[in-house]
Amino acid sequence: TQLLEQSPQFLSIQEGENLTVYCNSSSVFSSLQWYRQEPGEGPVLLVTVVTGGEVKKLKRLTFQFGDARKDSSLHITAAQPGDTGLYLCAGALRGSTLGRLYFGRGTQLTVWP
Amino acid sequence: DTGVSQDPRHKITKRGQNVTFRCDPISEHNRLYWYRQTLGQGPEFLTYFQNEAQLEKSRLLSDRFSAERPKGSFSTLEIQRTEQGDSAMYLCASSRQTGGETQYFGPGTRLLVL
Repeated sequence: TQLLEQSPQFLSIQEGENLTVYCNSSSVFSSLQWYRQEPGEGPVLLVTVVTGGEVKKLKRLTFQFGDARKDSSLHITAAQPGDTGLYLCAGALRGSTLGRLYFGRGTQLTVWP
Repeated sequence: DTGVSQDPRHKITKRGQNVTFRCDPISEHNRLYWYRQTLGQGPEFLTYFQNEAQLEKSRLLSDRFSAERPKGSFSTLEIQRTEQGDSAMYLCASSRQTGGETQYFGPGTRLLVL
């Protein structure tokens, strides 16, 4: 079983629509990162959230860390074809000094023109 | 900041052969991680270095796998007697010790074992 459950696994939408991706766990994380990955490339960092309840905005992307630091969401407003890619959430467990990340399975987003 | 680099980007080998991958982290980062990603999955942790010390190894890292970071800078990951199940993307990441857990990933090495 995955420590981080990400949903939905696939999302196919039209340009201009809004969407939300969820990342949930029963474990508490000291921080959570969101990455975007293109085929054949490594994950590229979008944001790191560290405080429960924290909200960060990156242009049309809004990231939220749950109050209990067990879950996170990524909301994209007015999606564009350039947003197409694999979105991954990853967390470092609270109390771990080593910093290894646990990843969700990812959400494959396709935005059609 | 030139980013994390990995070499080679692609490797095709025959079952039973040995392969070695290299990772060069961001220069001021003293933490280095190796992950493996298979199709349809998120990356899975393999091992972690702080400077030259290997501090954690996953159960995924069988006896055929070995990683080194001899001078605390670049790292190598060697797979001996490769098996078809080793086919995957091997990702390297680095971070600062005092910069929280934010990890920056390289472009990966895609391994195909025939």
